[in-house]
Amino acid sequence: LAKTTQPISMDSYEGQEVNITCSHNNIATNDYITWYQQFPSQGPRFIIQGYKTKVTNEVASLFIPADRKSSTLSLPRVSLSDTAVYYCLVGPSGGYQKVTFGIGTKLQVIP
Amino acid sequence: GAVVSQHPSWVICKSGTSVKIECRSLDFQATTMFWYRQFPKQSLMLMATSNEGSKATYEQGVEKDKFLINHASLTLSTLTVTSAHPEDSSFYICSARSDTNQPQHFGDGTRLSIL
Repeated sequence: LAKTTQPISMDSYEGQEVNITCSHNNIATNDYITWYQQFPSQGPRFIIQGYKTKVTNEVASLFIPADRKSSTLSLPRVSLSDTAVYYCLVGPSGGYQKVTFGIGTKLQVIP
Repeated sequence: GAVVSQHPSWVICKSGTSVKIECRSLDFQATTMFWYRQFPKQSLMLMATSNEGSKATYEQGVEKDKFLINHASLTLSTLTVTSAHPEDSSFYICSARSDTNQPQHFGDGTRLSIL
């Protein structure tokens, strides 16, 4: 299983763009990169998934360089409600096989 | 789409009681469901993986006789904590996946408190 490394915590002011980078040096050829958001006492919520280059949806963008050894989740113009823990997961096809949750990144949005 | 419902959302019971938690995929068929446990300020720990119609695969250190998992249909999996004790108190979360090319979608968790 590919191991991931993320910053433990980040602070950002409201309205700013937030970029959270995840390192996954031993990512396998058939691994996808998936990001989840978790609020306290709730289950994780799927944000975005990608394999290479750039993926964008209505919530976020995911940037993956050519070597795929890292990825960056970009949240545009964050609000207070984006305060949560963000997890980067790496595994085959979004987790067909078991994936390991790291400690995640605690994002605190400041007014 | 891809909604997973978990019930109950929280339960408090006496030590020695068995507790059943249900996980349902509401708008898709889940060939695989996963059960996680999360202690305060910690990450999710995978307990077991269950495929519809077959026995669950438990992670190392998880007692299969204590945490009974049933995945009898493509939309329902249950986790039964048998003879629960205070150390079993935790936040239990299920997830479901429709096929190998789709991400896991999570329920909102069950807060279990054993007195």
